[in-house]
Amino acid sequence: GQNIDQPTEMTATEGAIVQINCTYQTSGFNGLFWYQQHAGEAPTFLSYNVLDGLEEKGRFSSFLSRSKGYSYLLLKELQMKDSASYLCAAGSGAGSYQLTFGKGTKLSVIP
Amino acid sequence: DVKVTQSSRYLVKRTGEKVFLECVQDMDHENMFWYRQDPGLGLRLIYFSYDVKMKEKGDIPEGYSVSREKKERFSLILESASTNQTSMYLCASSGYGYTFGSGTRLTVV
Repeated sequence: GQNIDQPTEMTATEGAIVQINCTYQTSGFNGLFWYQQHAGEAPTFLSYNVLDGLEEKGRFSSFLSRSKGYSYLLLKELQMKDSASYLCAAGSGAGSYQLTFGKGTKLSVIP
Repeated sequence: DVKVTQSSRYLVKRTGEKVFLECVQDMDHENMFWYRQDPGLGLRLIYFSYDVKMKEKGDIPEGYSVSREKKERFSLILESASTNQTSMYLCASSGYGYTFGSGTRLTVV
C-alpha cells in the first residue's frame, strides 16, 4: 500500500528557517518529490530526491533517507511569499512514474 | 516552455448534466493523470492513462470516465454531475515528476 504523512500546518517567522517533515511507506519506491502550491493554484515542482542525502537549490533544500522512509524540505530565509502548502509525493512504478501525494503542509509565514 | 493546459479555470454546472473537462499537454508524455483536490483530503487520483486508448482506475473512479484518443489529450467526463463532485480538478502529465495544469474549479449546483 501507499501512505504519506506530513504535518497539517506550520507557522514560522519571516527570515527564519523551517523544516517540513514527511514519512512514507510506498511499495516500489523510486523517488521523492516536493511541490509548492499557493492557494487556488496548481502545484509546482520544487525538488526531487532519488538517492539518500541532501539536495540544495537556493533557499530550498530537500533530504531523503530511503532506509527510514523519511524526507524533509528545508526552507531558509523565509519570505512572506513562501506562505503556501507543501506537498510531499512518493514515486513508484517502473516506467509509469506514478506519484502518491501527502495531504500537504500549510505553511504560514508571519512578520 | 512545457505546458499542460486545462480548458476551463472555473465551471458551473447543474446536477445531472454531462460535464467534459479537457486537458492537453505539449511534452509528448505518455502518462497523464486526473486528480481532484478537496480541503483536508489532499490530491486523490481519479483515473490515469499510460498510452493512447489506455486507461486505468485510480482511487476514486466512481462517477467519472475518461477518454484518451490522442496522446496529447486526456479528457475527464462526469456522466451525470452531482453536488459531491464540486471540487478542484487537476490534470497532470509525467516525464520527470509531474507537470500540472492550472486546474478547473467545478461547482455543481
